[in-house]
Amino acid sequence: GENVEQHPSTLSVQEGDSAVIKCTYSDSASNYFPWYKQELGKGPQLIIDIRSNVGEKKDQRIAVTLNKTAKHFSLHITETQPEDSAVYFCAAVDQTGANNLFFGTGTRLTVIP
Amino acid sequence: GAVVSQHPSWVICKSGTSVKIECRSLDFQATTMFWYRQFPKQSLMLMATSNEGSKATYEQGVEKDKFLINHASLTLSTLTVTSAHPEDSSFYICSASREGRNSPLHFGNGTRLTVT
Repeated sequence: GENVEQHPSTLSVQEGDSAVIKCTYSDSASNYFPWYKQELGKGPQLIIDIRSNVGEKKDQRIAVTLNKTAKHFSLHITETQPEDSAVYFCAAVDQTGANNLFFGTGTRLTVIP
Repeated sequence: GAVVSQHPSWVICKSGTSVKIECRSLDFQATTMFWYRQFPKQSLMLMATSNEGSKATYEQGVEKDKFLINHASLTLSTLTVTSAHPEDSSFYICSASREGRNSPLHFGNGTRLTVT
């Protein structure tokens, strides 16, 4: 099955700086890569996703890049704000399942005011 | 707004009792829903795939007799933790997709189960 690795596990940045979280996946057949933000005591919320037919996608302060050859994808958050503080998970879809998401181990982002 | 509703948000029960958690898709039909378990400061672990009108598919190591899943309608899946023990205490989260395969999965807000 798919194996998703995520780094770093924790990340602290000053408010206004950028944050980058990186993930790698193992199954070259995977073609859908969502990113989720999870706040304490809540379920994950989809913040952005990318399909394998594009290399980059941007939504305001959030962008995701995908390198299919290297099998890695990254989340970029610019102009970070304290409310961006949360745990972020990357994921890849397992092509053998109905819509089975394989999650990374998570990154705890802290934005320091 | 929320597209997947989960209830209850938290529950405390005694050892040996059973607890039912509901997951509803709002304003869309979901033939497939997913149940995850999350331990503190860890990632989400897929427990099972809930299929409307048929048996759930359980991941390796997940006891199907312990975690009963019923997907009786296109908008509702339930997870029942039977004969709960303290080690079953965890955060349980369901998810569903509007469009099916390779489309965004939306998650409920989770259920915090504490077994005393």
